[in-house]
Amino acid sequence: DIQMTQSPSSLSASVGDRVTITCQASQAIKNYLNWYHQKPGKAPKALIYAASNLETGVPSRFSGSGSGTQFTFTISSLQPEDVGTYYCQQYDKHPLAFGGGTKVELK
Amino acid sequence: QVQLQESGPGLVKPSQTLSLMCTVSGASINNNAYYWSWIRQLPGKGLDYIGYVFYSGSTYYNPSLRSRLTLSLDTSKNQFSLKLTSVTAADTALYYCARDTISGSGSRYFDSWGQGVLVTVSS
Repeated sequence: DIQMTQSPSSLSASVGDRVTITCQASQAIKNYLNWYHQKPGKAPKALIYAASNLETGVPSRFSGSGSGTQFTFTISSLQPEDVGTYYCQQYDKHPLAFGGGTKVELK
Repeated sequence: QVQLQESGPGLVKPSQTLSLMCTVSGASINNNAYYWSWIRQLPGKGLDYIGYVFYSGSTYYNPSLRSRLTLSLDTSKNQFSLKLTSVTAADTALYYCARDTISGSGSRYFDSWGQGVLVTVSS
């Protein structure tokens, strides 16, 4: 099975800060990588698919990059509504797998 | 827009069968562009992929659950379902149904989710 490792597991940042989260796959997964945001008490919401494509309606401050085993997710200017947990997810091979999550809090 | 809604008992006794239903509105499950999926989240933990059922009835089960899991769909009711047998406390989780959308370019992602249903396994 492919293992997805996210870092950091949590971070605290101020409004307007640039936030970067990394996701490493245990084997190469091309660009078959998605990013989700889960607000407390809510279901996850897709933000980025295929490593770098912005889901419809998602603000342009969110971006993703990478291929192979190393991926990066960036929030260019953190907003209060961005708090919550972010997950990466690979779909190269079954079983599909999520990273352990990165909890983002406001400083 | 598409909406998914899970339903089922919130409490199941150990060794019994957990049964959940997902009702889809705003889209037909009889469509080859989607995998109708289940994902669970253990308390305070991350997301675990359970599996999917396709419009044709074909399925994929996570090997970790395969021996206990059955996924199916009812196109006439636009619903799909999950049955997990011989449950233990380790199956206590928030269960989500989700639509896994396949694009022509080969990408796929969970673009719609239910709100989740908390299932507790306890006597």
